[in-house]
Amino acid sequence: GNSVTQMEGPVTLSEEAFLTINCTYTATGYPSLFWYVQYPGEGLQLLLKATKADDKGSNKGFEATYRKETTSFHLEKGSVQVSDSAVYFCALSDTDSNYQLIWGAGTKLIIKP
Amino acid sequence: DAGITQSPRYKITETGRQVTLMCHQTWSHSYMFWYRQDLGHGLRLIYYSAAADITDKGEVPDGYVVSRSKTENFPLTLESATRSQTSVYFCASRETFLPGTGELFFGEGSRLTVL
Repeated sequence: GNSVTQMEGPVTLSEEAFLTINCTYTATGYPSLFWYVQYPGEGLQLLLKATKADDKGSNKGFEATYRKETTSFHLEKGSVQVSDSAVYFCALSDTDSNYQLIWGAGTKLIIKP
Repeated sequence: DAGITQSPRYKITETGRQVTLMCHQTWSHSYMFWYRQDLGHGLRLIYYSAAADITDKGEVPDGYVVSRSKTENFPLTLESATRSQTSVYFCASRETFLPGTGELFFGEGSRLTVL
């Protein structure tokens, strides 16, 4: 079945550091891929998405490229801020899941000033 | 204000009691979802609904009941709460069927503790 694997957290970085959060997936078809972010005490919100191979999603300085050859969708940001501290979820949607979202376990990011 | 609201935000109950979590959205989105969030599991889909009076099971439906008599409301009921249902519950809505064509909007969550 479909699945999403994220790197375990927490990930702790200093402000202005480069961020990578790894996400790999297993899917039989051609899934759409998503990153959602959950700020403390809030619900999740869509950060970015990519719907086909080689697409790059971007938003708020974050980027992720849909790599079909490595089945990956790693999240990157060149210079993180304290306000980026949150939990980040990778997710996929595929025909095998009746287009329902399959979620990774989440990666907690802590940015220290 | 437009949006999706959940109530209560926090609830403590005892094993065997019935609990209902409410969800209300103001966008008239067709699709609504209930997820539970547990450490190490990410989000797991409990039930979803494509329209009023149309509901379907997700990944972990056992022990839960839903209804959707009006488009804007999607309550989740635990008929006889168990400790394993201690979790944070999120309601979400989306205008379109395909996740790639529309954004999923989440409520702020309801933290349920079953003693």
